[in-house]
Amino acid sequence: GDSVTQMEGPVTLSEEAFLTINCTYTATGYPSLFWYVQYPGEGLQLLLKATKADDKGSNKGFEATYRKETTSFHLEKGSVQVSDSAVYFCALSDFGQNFVFGPGTRLSVLP
Amino acid sequence: ETGVTQTPRHLVMGMTNKKSLKCEQHLGHNAMYWYKQSAKKPLELMFVYNFKEQTENNSVPSRFSPECPNSSHLFLHLHTLQPEDSALYLCASSQESKNTDTQYFGPGTRLTVL
Repeated sequence: GDSVTQMEGPVTLSEEAFLTINCTYTATGYPSLFWYVQYPGEGLQLLLKATKADDKGSNKGFEATYRKETTSFHLEKGSVQVSDSAVYFCALSDFGQNFVFGPGTRLSVLP
Repeated sequence: ETGVTQTPRHLVMGMTNKKSLKCEQHLGHNAMYWYKQSAKKPLELMFVYNFKEQTENNSVPSRFSPECPNSSHLFLHLHTLQPEDSALYLCASSQESKNTDTQYFGPGTRLTVL
């Protein structure tokens, strides 16, 4: 079945640093790809998504591009803030399959 | 975000208690899900309902009993739980299951079993 692999972290950065969280996937079909964010004590919130190859999802300064040739959907942000400290989940959804989540990457941003 | 709500937000119960978790979605979706999130474990899919029919039960112990009376409401009935069942229980919804739709999550119920 489909699967998602992402760096588990934790990732610790200083404020205003550049962020990359790697995500790669395997899928038999043409899945949609997602990044979710979970702040402490809360549920998962959709951060961004892309539904086809070469689409770029973006939100709150975060970006990720659906790369079919490398089966990747890496999350990037140019300048992180303390308020970005959270757990980030890469995920995919595909026809005939349940949603598949990566293990999550904990990000800590220090002032 | 009020698309998916869950009550209660926190629950403490003894091993002999019976309690229920409630989830409601206001998005007009047809699929609803229960997930379990334990510390240092991946997100675990427990149950899936699509158009009120249960389509997935991922080997969940019978002490967890889901109920989906309509497409907007989902319950998880809890009975004689174990301490290892302590976790964050997340409800989600999507337009339909097993396609490329986005899932939207509630805030979760933090369950502690004493």
